[in-house]
Amino acid sequence: AQSVTQLGSHVSVSEGALVLLRCNYSSSVPPYLFWYVQYPNQGLQLLLKYTTGATLVKGINGFEAEFKKSETSFHLTKPSAHMSDAAEYFCAVRTSGGSYIPTFGRGTSLIVHP
Amino acid sequence: EAQVTQNPRYLITVTGKKLTVTCSQNMNHEYMSWYRQDPGLGLRQIYYSMNVEVTDKGDVPEGYKVSRKEKRNFPLILESPSPNQTSLYFCASSFGQSVNTEAFFGQGTRLTVV
Repeated sequence: AQSVTQLGSHVSVSEGALVLLRCNYSSSVPPYLFWYVQYPNQGLQLLLKYTTGATLVKGINGFEAEFKKSETSFHLTKPSAHMSDAAEYFCAVRTSGGSYIPTFGRGTSLIVHP
Repeated sequence: EAQVTQNPRYLITVTGKKLTVTCSQNMNHEYMSWYRQDPGLGLRQIYYSMNVEVTDKGDVPEGYKVSRKEKRNFPLILESPSPNQTSLYFCASSFGQSVNTEAFFGQGTRLTVV
């Protein structure tokens, strides 16, 4: 079985501050990890993904995430928040070994203050 | 352009009146899925389909039906909608056997049942 936990349903930062959105996963087989972003009144779109290889993954809009197997984490970061980053962010996991069903976290709403 | 198209985007209906939300993808994806999104609960999977004529229940299937007669289409059917099915619905698709690939989402259907 696989699961995803996103710590904090809301994260509030000031414009220009570091963004850190936390994601921990549980999986008995190697995971494939994804971060999606949902802007208001839109569907989800892919920010970045980890499959194999380099554990630090760079995505769109200056976001990056690091896969840490020992901590079962895949936290999303951005050095400097912009007002346009305000959105809902979802972490997701997919595994092989018979189950191809993606599992999503509950989402974290990022609020950016001027 | 690769996309998942849902229709309608907005729908207000009355309790008990059957409705169908359509979903179509143009990427030849095997895997398709329906989610509902509710505040504080994130994305919950309703039904999914691994290929034509192959469907299975997700986490919250009660009150919903699906069919997969063609690879590109995956309609969601509410035979007798109730107010607790008021929600934001998303259709998603991806390559089924490739767990390292991401899901593509439709723009969402906001359903209100009165």
